[in-house]
Amino acid sequence: GEDVEQSLFLSVREGDSSVINCTYTDSSSTYLYWYKQEPGAGLQLLTYIFSNMDMKQDQRLTVLLNKKDKHLSLRIADTQTGDSAIYFCAVITHGSGNTGKLIFGQGTTLQVKP
Amino acid sequence: NAGVTQTPKFRVLKTGQSMTLLCAQDMNHEYMYWYRQDPGMGLRLIHYSVGEGTTAKGEVPDGYNVSRLKKQNFLLGLESAAPSQTSVYFCASRGLAGIYNEQFFGPGTRLTVL
Repeated sequence: GEDVEQSLFLSVREGDSSVINCTYTDSSSTYLYWYKQEPGAGLQLLTYIFSNMDMKQDQRLTVLLNKKDKHLSLRIADTQTGDSAIYFCAVITHGSGNTGKLIFGQGTTLQVKP
Repeated sequence: NAGVTQTPKFRVLKTGQSMTLLCAQDMNHEYMYWYRQDPGMGLRLIHYSVGEGTTAKGEVPDGYNVSRLKKQNFLLGLESAAPSQTSVYFCASRGLAGIYNEQFFGPGTRLTVL
């Protein structure tokens, strides 16, 4: 089945850019997502990208998709202390059919130091 | 709209006890999901439902049962709790429409089994 991998921890200084990486195994992945989880809260959708796109920009967020290497990244420009959270990569594969089942990575904890 | 709500927020059980977690959504969504979140493992799908009266197994269904008697509610039951079921449980829902299949998450239930 599909496997989604992320590194567990990233620490940056306030004002720097953060890059969170994700790899997946199923080349039929159709939608790829980034969710954010703040402490003690549920997950909120940050952004998404279709498999037929290479890049998507949304204010401070840039998503890059390399389909050949099955690699997804999330870049946060001018990282702020409020960006400290766990970031999850998640994918839907063609095999999910209409169920919309998401496969999640382990989550990357982003620590932003002042 | 309240979105997705979960009851209770916290619970402590003894091994062998039973309990039911309630998920409710007021968005008229067809699809509902139960996940568990464990450190370093991301979110794993327990059971899901594609409509009222339907349920299906996810990735880690053993030890859990679910029911979807009403469209807005999705119940997760633990018949005989075990310490391995200590986790944070998240419910999510998704509508039929929505080009990017966003799942909306509840705030979570933190369960400890002693």
